[in-house]
Amino acid sequence: DAGVIQSPRHEVTEMGQEVTLRCKPISGHDYLFWYRQTMMRGLELLIYFNNNVPIDDSGMPEDRFSAKMPNASFSTLKIQPSEPRDSAVYFCASRGDGHTEAFFGQGTRLTVV
Amino acid sequence: AQSVTQPDIHITVSEGASLELRCNYSYGATPYLFWYVQSPGQGLQLLLKYFSGDTLVQGIKGFEAEFKRSQSSFNLRKPSVHWSDAAEYFCAVGALGNEKLTFGTGTRLTIIP
Repeated sequence: DAGVIQSPRHEVTEMGQEVTLRCKPISGHDYLFWYRQTMMRGLELLIYFNNNVPIDDSGMPEDRFSAKMPNASFSTLKIQPSEPRDSAVYFCASRGDGHTEAFFGQGTRLTVV
Repeated sequence: AQSVTQPDIHITVSEGASLELRCNYSYGATPYLFWYVQSPGQGLQLLLKYFSGDTLVQGIKGFEAEFKRSQSSFNLRKPSVHWSDAAEYFCAVGALGNEKLTFGTGTRLTIIP
């Protein structure tokens, strides 16, 4: 398996623009997590899905952030409108039922100018 | 609420020397504990995990960690570090039935010749 695949790896956008981050989890994994990593706050869980259903979105910072998982092999994290304080590395991770650990993608480095 | 403390932000070690990275956790139930490593520009890779049984766990790349319930600690060790071990190391806590991993703020490891 190729692991968790995220795209794009880098994204630079202007303030106010919509940004969409994409994630393909490991095949067969039924949990999917979105994390954000910043120097100030470290790694924060934004939202996670189980069997494509959002279970806990309490970490989503505000209504500008939304996440979807239309099927078992694809998820998106959208920021609209984006702000400079959204600049961070966003990680997607997946976990299979019966596993205890999550497998991480390589992340998307988002810069909002 | 669960929490993880990594008291050392940055550690510098000579190549070939031993290493210990500290991790303290707070969790009301029996925790699952993890150590992840993040190389520059990369995602997080699992080094090792503890969820039951032997309190000394072996991981990849020659790392080990010991779970000490009385001290609420899960310190990571390696007897002899290699230059390729330079990276950021994250301790994380979770639990059975709790899908949300809480990460520490990380310890950046620098290796000097």
